[in-house]
Amino acid sequence: EAGVAQSPRYKIIEKRQSVAFWCNPISGHATLYWYQQILGQGPKLLIQFQNNGVVDDSQLPKDRFSAERLKGVDSTLKIQPAKLEDSAVYLCASSLVRSTGELFFGEGSRLTVL
Amino acid sequence: SQQGEEDPQALSIQEGENATMNCSYKTSINNLQWYRQNSGRGLVHLILIRSNEREKHSGRLRVTLDTSKKSSSLLITASRAADTASYFCATDQTGANNLFFGTGTRLTVIP
Repeated sequence: EAGVAQSPRYKIIEKRQSVAFWCNPISGHATLYWYQQILGQGPKLLIQFQNNGVVDDSQLPKDRFSAERLKGVDSTLKIQPAKLEDSAVYLCASSLVRSTGELFFGEGSRLTVL
Repeated sequence: SQQGEEDPQALSIQEGENATMNCSYKTSINNLQWYRQNSGRGLVHLILIRSNEREKHSGRLRVTLDTSKKSSSLLITASRAADTASYFCATDQTGANNLFFGTGTRLTVIP
């Protein structure tokens, strides 16, 4: 079974530039999550999708972050414009059962904002 | 903060020894999960314990849950160098839609 795929693995940009991350969850997983993990900290949820609908985006900085999952499969997370404090690893995860079950994580996309 | 907190923040042991890490949380939960993260990689699910369970085993892993104290512990027996990683607890909190991850314990197993 293929795991959660993410790209790119690494991205370096300057502040005020934009960046997009892509995630393809495990086939059949209806729930998709984007987490932000700052160095030395635990992952923090940014947004959760159930199929193509948003379940929770309360922690998403909507002035600069956006995410979509148009066909209920893969998803894109965008940051525009980026700030220095956005430097982090962006983790995508998927699950069969919303919130109560095991999450399957991708390898993450490491963003460095200069 | 809704996050749990792991203790200790870092732990260094010799191969073959047991490693114990603790997690404390603040609200009522449906279940608590433990994840491992190798350096530069994603998180991998280790074990899930439900709120009505007190202890669970999986291979060399033993997890306990005390809902009255709002705490959990993860024991790794007979540690190996390959166990070197960060370990996170995550709580599925009652009424919430997602998992809340703790701050992690960095485990180093010295060969």
